[in-house]
Amino acid sequence: DIQMTQSPSTLSASVGDRVTITCRASQSISTWLAWYQQKPGKAPKLLIYEASNLEVGVPSRFSGSGSGTEFTLTISSLQPDDFATYYCLQYSSQYTFGQGTKLEIK
Amino acid sequence: QVQLVQSGAEVKKPGASVKISCKASGYTLSNYGISWVRQAPGQGLEWMGWISGYNGDTNYAQKFQDRVTMTTDTSTSTAYMELRSLRSDDTAVYYCARRPYSIGLPDYWGQGTPVTVSS
Repeated sequence: DIQMTQSPSTLSASVGDRVTITCRASQSISTWLAWYQQKPGKAPKLLIYEASNLEVGVPSRFSGSGSGTEFTLTISSLQPDDFATYYCLQYSSQYTFGQGTKLEIK
Repeated sequence: QVQLVQSGAEVKKPGASVKISCKASGYTLSNYGISWVRQAPGQGLEWMGWISGYNGDTNYAQKFQDRVTMTTDTSTSTAYMELRSLRSDDTAVYYCARRPYSIGLPDYWGQGTPVTVSS
């Protein structure tokens, strides 16, 4: 099974900051990686698929990059609505979520 | 607009089964798959499997292979997920989500169904 490791587990930041979340795969997954945002009590929301493709309707301050085993999600300028938990998901071989990164207000 | 409406909260005893429904609207169920994902209290997301709305083919996570059955009823645009031999660690919110074949990922999600397993 492919394991996904996200870092950091928690990230404290301020509105306007640029933040980066990393996801590492236990083996190469090419670019079969997605990012989801989840707010408390709500279903996840798809942000990015195939490592770098922005889902329709997602603000352009979100971007994704990477291939193989290392991937990043970057938010260029944090907005109040962005404080949430973020998950990566590999879909190269079955599906595996990362453990999540909680983005908190500093 | 695309909507997935799930059945209500369930409370079950250990060893019992639960069957959750997921009614799709705003699109044609047979043109998409349905994924199932669960989330234990305070924990992360866990993929359970998916079913093709076109032909009913399934792909289950190995962890659930022996205990889960996913089905669809295209006449009512409803998907179902049954989990058997429930244990306390099956306590979670269960989500269904539309899975477009084009990207192979859940995009639109249901509201979630809380399942509590307790004696």
